Amino acid sequence: EPEVTQTPSHQVTQMGQEVILRCVPISNHLYFYWYRQILGQKVEFLVSFYNNEISEKSEIFDDQFSVERPDGSNFTLKIRSTKLEDSAMYFCARGGNGNNEQFFGPGTRLTVL
Amino acid sequence: SQKIEQNSEALNIQEGKTATLTCNYTNYSPAYLQWYRQDPGRGPVFLLLIRENEKEKRKERLKVTFDTTLKQSLFHITASQPADSATYLCAPPDRGSTLGRLYFGRGTQLTVWP
Repeated sequence: EPEVTQTPSHQVTQMGQEVILRCVPISNHLYFYWYRQILGQKVEFLVSFYNNEISEKSEIFDDQFSVERPDGSNFTLKIRSTKLEDSAMYFCARGGNGNNEQFFGPGTRLTVL
Repeated sequence: SQKIEQNSEALNIQEGKTATLTCNYTNYSPAYLQWYRQDPGRGPVFLLLIRENEKEKRKERLKVTFDTTLKQSLFHITASQPADSATYLCAPPDRGSTLGRLYFGRGTQLTVWP
């Protein structure tokens, strides 16, 4: 059973459009992360989220990106105006119980045309 | 940020043998280091975490070592099976990270053939 679920599994969008990727944790956790992986490349950190606030973000996470936890459960990553280079797998992860390990969701494959 | 080098992009071994994967890091010494497995099109799956004061950690057929002097971690899979075929990722936390954001290496693609 996955630690978190993600929807959609695959999103196709036109360049310049907004997309919202969703992450639903199986149980209550305070620490969440978003990572992305461009095809054939490394998994890269985007942002961490603790207690409903952004804790850290990478240089990739520019003004086009935002994260929210709108209903206290779902955790979303929004890309306001997608670019071709945003095409990647986007993974949500939750933190462990104080043990530093992270548990990843199945990912959303984003394709920007 | 950290620089991670994993021994090779691909490692092919025969079933039953021990696979040894290497992770070398530079720039700074992390307080701990994690290993993940990733299958094609899937998210990374946590395997083991080893802390700087631990020389070795085991979990079933898996063993991880951590040599802070050499700045190296070794990941061993004993009695390897075709089902162990996957990409294995070394991931220390990024320097200065308060929530343990991970810095992943490119990984080593392991293929275990019958």
